[in-house]
Amino acid sequence: GAGVSQSPSNKVTEKGKDVELRCDPISGHTALYWYRQSLGQGLEFLIYFQGNSAPDKSGLPSDRFSAERTGGSVSTLTIQRTQQEDSAVYLCASSRTGLQEETQYFGPGTRLLVL
Amino acid sequence: AQSVTQLDSHVSVSEGTPVLLRCNYSSSYSPSLFWYVQHPNKGLQLLLKYTSAATLVKGINGFEAEFKKSETSFHLTKPSAHMSDAAEYFCVVSVLKNNDMRFGAGTRLTVKP
Repeated sequence: GAGVSQSPSNKVTEKGKDVELRCDPISGHTALYWYRQSLGQGLEFLIYFQGNSAPDKSGLPSDRFSAERTGGSVSTLTIQRTQQEDSAVYLCASSRTGLQEETQYFGPGTRLLVL
Repeated sequence: AQSVTQLDSHVSVSEGTPVLLRCNYSSSYSPSLFWYVQHPNKGLQLLLKYTSAATLVKGINGFEAEFKKSETSFHLTKPSAHMSDAAEYFCVVSVLKNNDMRFGAGTRLTVKP
């Protein structure tokens, strides 16, 4: 079956521009996560959506970062006024219900480069 | 709060020899623990997970891990390395109470012929 998909796969942008990254979770999965993987760093949690509940935004690094999940399915991560330190691979994952022990299925990521 | 420490950033083994990737965790609550693998230019794939059932967990591709509460460890092992095992491995702790999932910094496994 279809897994988690993300678009674009690569994005090059200029410092100061806004970017939008898209995630399509596995159909029927109610939980959706965004992570960031910077060069030489581990994975960093950004934000978590669970059904219709208010998202857990505790991992967002600054107010330039925001995310939406429309209709409980597709999610968009927006970075405003991008900075060079935003360059990273942004990974999206989904799980069936968001329970602690559940497997998260990861998309291939969006590789963002801010010049 | 919870955290994960992967003790080795890089491990190199010869093909056919055992693999040991070390992971220690810290958690205020009963955690779930995972190992994910990331091959070059590929997404993350679950290897195995511990969810308070059996402490010895078997995963895909011959990997297994043992949850040791007294040592707060969840080391990943494989009896005999294969060239295709070369990848980045991430140890992860998850605690529902905080809706939190923490990744280790990763261990790069190199397998020499």
